[in-house]
Amino acid sequence: VQLVQSGAEVRKPGSSVKVSCRASGGTFSTYTITWVRQAPGQGLEWMGRIIPLPDITNYAEKFQGRVTITADKSASTVSIEVRSLRPEDTAVYFCARERSGNRGHYSNMDVWGQGSTVSVSS
Amino acid sequence: QSALTQPASVSGSPGQSITISCTGTSNVVGSYDLVSWYQQHPGKAPKLMIYEVTKRPSGVSNRFSGSKSGNTASLTISGLQAEDEADYYCCSYAGSTTDVLFGGGTKLTVL
Repeated sequence: VQLVQSGAEVRKPGSSVKVSCRASGGTFSTYTITWVRQAPGQGLEWMGRIIPLPDITNYAEKFQGRVTITADKSASTVSIEVRSLRPEDTAVYFCARERSGNRGHYSNMDVWGQGSTVSVSS
Repeated sequence: QSALTQPASVSGSPGQSITISCTGTSNVVGSYDLVSWYQQHPGKAPKLMIYEVTKRPSGVSNRFSGSKSGNTASLTISGLQAEDEADYYCCSYAGSTTDVLFGGGTKLTVL
């Protein structure tokens, strides 16, 4: 499976952005897709995930209410929308396929998209 | 608030071995065998190197190994090579409230 993300975006503070992640190969409907972001010069930060069938979403507490992850199975695409953008949302946003351990919790992210740069500036 | 702490940087010479530690608060690491490690070269996406503490994905060199003792996980790279120079991140399931937690990252320099 490969994950191909949408291109770079530039937004003004207070606006919204939607980044997409298209899967090719494999059975998309069985993949849990997770989103991770990385601000310039900073570390990785988990944002949330979508679990297929029936599209359950989980979000990091920090992003609850400001981020929405959706899936379009017909297009094998998962998207993340971030609203009320702030300059500190400037980052590279990665999607990844998430695998779970035998108790159903996060185990690892084994396939990654190439990243999408989002710049927020007035 | 749970956290995973890594050293900011480590270094080693070609052929040597190095170990990167990842210490969790609130028994994050100790409670679950769900620590993973990622390698990231500049401008690239992270790459999974170790999962579930000790397991190595297909295609990852056996020079990379993982372990855990109490609330500290470790990544060991033996026979250091120039291409191992990168940032390394630990990551773990951290319970139902925090869910997924990344360490702050460690920059590995091959001298």
